[in-house]
Amino acid sequence: DTGVSQNPRHKITKRGQNVTFRCDPISEHNRLYWYRQTLGQGPEFLTYFQNEAQLEKSRLLSDRFSAERPKGSFSTLEIQRTEQGDSAMYLCASSYPGGTEAFFGQGTRLTVV
Amino acid sequence: AQRVTQPEKLLSVFKGAPVELKCNYSYSGSPELFWYVQYSRQRLQLLLRHISRESIKGFTADLNKGETSFHLKKPFAQEEDSAMYYCALDMDTGRRALTFGSGTRLQVQP
Repeated sequence: DTGVSQNPRHKITKRGQNVTFRCDPISEHNRLYWYRQTLGQGPEFLTYFQNEAQLEKSRLLSDRFSAERPKGSFSTLEIQRTEQGDSAMYLCASSYPGGTEAFFGQGTRLTVV
Repeated sequence: AQRVTQPEKLLSVFKGAPVELKCNYSYSGSPELFWYVQYSRQRLQLLLRHISRESIKGFTADLNKGETSFHLKKPFAQEEDSAMYYCALDMDTGRRALTFGSGTRLQVQP
């Protein structure tokens, strides 16, 4: 599968712990997006990168959330001091800079207990 | 702020019946509208975009700026169309950070 890859697929963590997710985009895509999806809702935009630069962050991205894309390839999303409200599916997508299609990964499902 | 509304959580039809999945948006500029689909156990994928004016798998969608709608239509539903459908909006900024509706589950019964 040469599409967008996300790891892990599932993560269960205790409240207060830190978690980190990884996204490997399609290799020639220089734009990378993170979304969060809760039950019964559509994906909500969190942040996006063009190459290694983080160009926009949603107000949904609290101070406990940080995303990086150090070499313009893979990206990580870290959540510090997790809360039960952080339980959701975290989706990564990538695209060409001029492209109109976002290619999504299969997501990381986070459960905070 | 931009918003996408999909009023139906579930739409159930019989095979061969027409389908219309509703999508309304609010945005003051000139958005690009998309329909994304998620089949069971698969990832979210693009179905069609309004600028292409194309028909994919028999589905079409027309952007109606007067009614701020982008409804998805298919004249004859097939069982394999059963999936979750999301309408999405991209503001006219080129950044491609999509605003999604809450989705409609389409069930096509035999």
